[in-house]
Amino acid sequence: GAVVSQHPSWVICKSGTSVKIECRSLDFQATTMFWYRQFPKQSLMLMATSNEGSKATYEQGVEKDKFLINHASLTLSTLTVTSAHPEDSSFYICSAKSAEEINEQFFGPGTRLTVL
Amino acid sequence: AQKVTQAQTEISVVEKEDVTLDCVYETRDTTYYLFWYKQPPSGELVFLIRRNSFDEQNEISGRYSWNFQKSTSSFNFTITASQVVDSAVYFCALSEEFGGTSYGKLTFGQGTILTVHP
Repeated sequence: GAVVSQHPSWVICKSGTSVKIECRSLDFQATTMFWYRQFPKQSLMLMATSNEGSKATYEQGVEKDKFLINHASLTLSTLTVTSAHPEDSSFYICSAKSAEEINEQFFGPGTRLTVL
Repeated sequence: AQKVTQAQTEISVVEKEDVTLDCVYETRDTTYYLFWYKQPPSGELVFLIRRNSFDEQNEISGRYSWNFQKSTSSFNFTITASQVVDSAVYFCALSEEFGGTSYGKLTFGQGTILTVHP
């Protein structure tokens, strides 16, 4: 199946710093990517939908100025957590929807963010 | 609004037992997709199955089987002869059909932690 990578796989940062997480589709073009957040022992919650070349659509309750999403190409979307705080510590997972296989969606391995 | 409920928070079984994970969903869409994912301790989601709402045939894949009943809005997952490697968190999820503005956005259930003891 198609491969989606995320970088970094884990990151520890100090409170107040910004962290960028990359999501790449390695062997297919992704017109749409999704960003999910998962707190420990909880389910995945959709944060935003990222479409190539346009502004991301954020779910209710997600601060767009805090979680900046850029989908600059058909293979790359980035999530930047600005001025991170301990409550932002979570597991962030992206998924990519194939432009060719319209019913397929592939998940990245996730990025574990710890804010001290 | 869409909703997925996995009433079983945790299930513990002994190896070789059969186990069924329940999933009940709510949606106003007439066409939708249902999914099951496995999340081992590493965190990476492993895709298990996708089912279109028009396809109510049950499916079997090795030790895994799925029972989709539209009449009761349920999509249950059974592992036969469970193994220790089956220990993980299992998520049921729902998405709108292709073409809808929300297509691809997955609504996940709360997850069921399955522990299989040797």
